[in-house]
Formats: sequence, C-alpha cells, structure tokens
Amino acid sequence: HSALTQPASVSGSPGQSITISCIGTSSDVGDYDYVSWYQQHPGKAPKVMIYDVNKRPSGVSSRFSGSKSGDTASLTISGLQGEDEAVYYCSSYTSSTTWVFGGGTKLTVL
Amino acid sequence: QVTLRESGPALVEPTQTLTLTCTFSGTTSAMCVSWIRQPPGKALEWLAHIDCDDDKYYSTSLKTRLIISKDTSKSQVVLTMSNVDRLDTATYYCARMMWKFGRWSPFDIWGQGTVVTVSS
Repeated sequence: HSALTQPASVSGSPGQSITISCIGTSSDVGDYDYVSWYQQHPGKAPKVMIYDVNKRPSGVSSRFSGSKSGDTASLTISGLQGEDEAVYYCSSYTSSTTWVFGGGTKLTVL
Repeated sequence: QVTLRESGPALVEPTQTLTLTCTFSGTTSAMCVSWIRQPPGKALEWLAHIDCDDDKYYSTSLKTRLIISKDTSKSQVVLTMSNVDRLDTATYYCARMMWKFGRWSPFDIWGQGTVVTVSS
C-alpha cells in the first residue's frame, strides 16, 4: 500500500478554519473506518487527535473534527490558534492487515 | 499511567542487525505495540505490530527483514531489523495500539523515540 496523499502544506490566520485532505484507495480509507489523525510538533512524538474517522480522544479540543467521503478523509481545525502549528499525519488500516500513514501536512498559523 | 520507552544503539553499521527495545511501565497487560519510524525530515512509516494475543503483522515491503517479539516478564517488545542500510536511518517509535471490543484502537500512547543512524 502506498502512502496516503496529503497536501504538503496549508496555512491559515488565527480564528480561521482549515481543512487537510487525505486521499487513499478502496483498500484502505475507502473500505475501513480506521482513519486517524496525528499532530506532531518539532522534536516531539505524534499525538492522536482524531480516530475512527471522527472521534476525539479525551482532552482533545472540540475545534478538531474529522470526516470521510469515499476514499478521502479530512481533518478540519476551526478557530485556529498558534499552538495548532504542527505537522499533521493521517493514518488508515488496510486490507493487507497493515497500517499506512500519509506524507504529512505542515500547518502554518500566519 | 502507561508509558513506553524505546532504547537501542544510536549507531549501526550497514549490513548489521538492528535490535530495538520498547519497555512498558505502568501495566503488564495490554502490551500491544506497533513500531513506527520517521527518517529525518520525512513522514511516519509503520513497520510492525504485535497484538495483545501475540499475533504479528509486518509491513509488506519490510517483512523479510523484520521480527517483532514480546517478553512479558520484562515488559518489553523487541524489534529486530536485519541487513540495515543508510536508508534505515530514522527515529524509531513504539506506540500502543489495541484490538478492543472488536475494533482497533488508534496509536494512543507513544514513546519519545530513539534515533538510529546507519553509517560505517
């Protein structure tokens, strides 16, 4: 399974909303609801922000939301804050009983 | 509170075998762990998973080089990677993921990562 496709970068001003896409195939994103999103700040380990397409772990801000349509999953961050600046990775379970990540999207808060 | 900590050599020579250890603390149950790596400046790559019931799963592209195992008595999960190459230079993370109530959890707890450089 090839890596999931994400835009290399997105940006937004404080208070705005942004959406990051994650394009997979019918063998991963399109066929399973095991899509997760991870936030990674420089030099730190990733942190799960969304799992099972649209569920938020305890402690994650409600400004983070997820969705899926067909082979494409999306992460939306509303009310952008400076602390949201990070790299975001999507992940999916696959039909080969493996897991695959996206290439990562660098979010810049202007 | 469950924590994970990776350990292993910082430098490995090409063609050698790399052995990485993930040590659990805070619980001796639910040792269900994936190994994930990240080359410098690049994306995350999933490598292997050992489930709570000892079922094992491997990256299709790397499965001939990887072995994942568990030593419950030591609260450790070990990954060995044979015949390493400079392209294996990366930060290696272990992360907990469980099969629970008929579903896979996300990678919900991560170690801090261990940096491995492959060079002669």
